[in-house]
Amino acid sequence: EVQLVESGGGLVQPGGSLRLSCAASGFSLSSYGMNWVRQAPGKGLEWVSYINSGSTIIYYTDSVKGRFTISRDNAENSLHLQMNSLRDEDTAVYYCARDLPRLDYWGQGTPVTVSS
Amino acid sequence: NVLTQSPGTLSLSPGERATLSCRASQSVDSNYFAWYQQKPGQAPRLLIYGTSRRATGIPDRFSGTGSGTDFTLTVSRLEPEDSAVYYCQQYGGSPLLTFGGGTKVEIK
Repeated sequence: EVQLVESGGGLVQPGGSLRLSCAASGFSLSSYGMNWVRQAPGKGLEWVSYINSGSTIIYYTDSVKGRFTISRDNAENSLHLQMNSLRDEDTAVYYCARDLPRLDYWGQGTPVTVSS
Repeated sequence: NVLTQSPGTLSLSPGERATLSCRASQSVDSNYFAWYQQKPGQAPRLLIYGTSRRATGIPDRFSGTGSGTDFTLTVSRLEPEDSAVYYCQQYGGSPLLTFGGGTKVEIK
């Protein structure tokens, strides 16, 4: 069974950092591109970042460029999102999702709250 | 590429037909257009990909059509469990991936 489990969310002050992780099971992460998608409270879905299977192609949405870094460890079957210089508007539930390029499997999400 | 969904909310009775629209600001490759369903407190679930292909386990009352800039999700006979927010999504261009703002379907 394919499973994605996010972790690492929490409460952080503006300007702070967090590192999110996504543990994959039931499939080989090394064969797939992966995405981070976020959802602010009461709002819609917003794509954040993409990384291809070999980590050679990476994209970010404009609002996080220079602040967030996506990475993966295929040996550990894990995906990461390093978030620095966090802002109030980064408050959201962060989902990892497998890319086909349709997003066929999603984790349950990890909440990130940026507040002083 | 901005995706605009309409209506914002749809309130229908069980057994009725729901028609959800998604309009793109630029033409979309139909191979890279999808629909998702999200229920409260849950992650989104893939419903339709490649404009018209149902994802695994999705009942045949869900169908997708469209091309270019206009796409439609139809639920032929609504059931109570179809109450959810539905998002369209396109893949390609800049940004790489965009979602529509969502249509909330309420079952009376």
